[in-house]
Amino acid sequence: EDQVTQSPEALRLQEGESSSLNCSYTVSGLRGLFWYRQDPGKGPEFLFTLYSAGEEKEKERLKATLTKKESFLHITAPKPEDSATYLCAVQEDNYGQNFVFGPGTRLSVLP
Amino acid sequence: DTEVTQTPKHLVMGMTNKKSLKCEQHMGHRAMYWYKQKAKKPPELMFVYSYEKLSINESVPSRFSPECPNSSLLNLHLHALQPEDSALYLCASSQGPREGNTEAFFGQGTRLTVV
Repeated sequence: EDQVTQSPEALRLQEGESSSLNCSYTVSGLRGLFWYRQDPGKGPEFLFTLYSAGEEKEKERLKATLTKKESFLHITAPKPEDSATYLCAVQEDNYGQNFVFGPGTRLSVLP
Repeated sequence: DTEVTQTPKHLVMGMTNKKSLKCEQHMGHRAMYWYKQKAKKPPELMFVYSYEKLSINESVPSRFSPECPNSSLLNLHLHALQPEDSALYLCASSQGPREGNTEAFFGQGTRLTVV
């Protein structure tokens, strides 16, 4: 059975204090790993798709990386508006239509 | 345009009511999804439609009835719900399996309260 875990559960940073969020997964074959940002009461907002180990994607202050067992979301010099819950999700190769989500990391960036 | 539109945004219904949630996308996506999300929990899959046919039903109770009238529309019909069904209901769409099934784009959700 797919399993996706994320750490830490919650993270408080000062504005400008860089850090990383972790997503670990166990699937028999990875079709894709996806990062989303979710604000309270809103739907998840797509950030990145990663397909293979070694792949990296960047967008503004965010950078996502992928290894064979985990993904990291690096946040450089965060701002208060980066405060949100960050979710990762995986699709398995042989059951590719279900996006299985991890529990998320609640990020708070203090001014 | 990566917009998925859900209506209504909020819904309060009694346990004997019948209501419907609606979802629309115009990205040409051929896979559409219903997810349920409880507070401080990740989204959980309910149904997947692929090329307008139901392809996944995650053992959802029959009081939830999905419908896909065409490739752009997805409905979720609700009947005789329980208070524990109160949640944020999310619709999403992605390319279909034949097109490579990439990332899913989510709507803003319908906040459902069952009284």
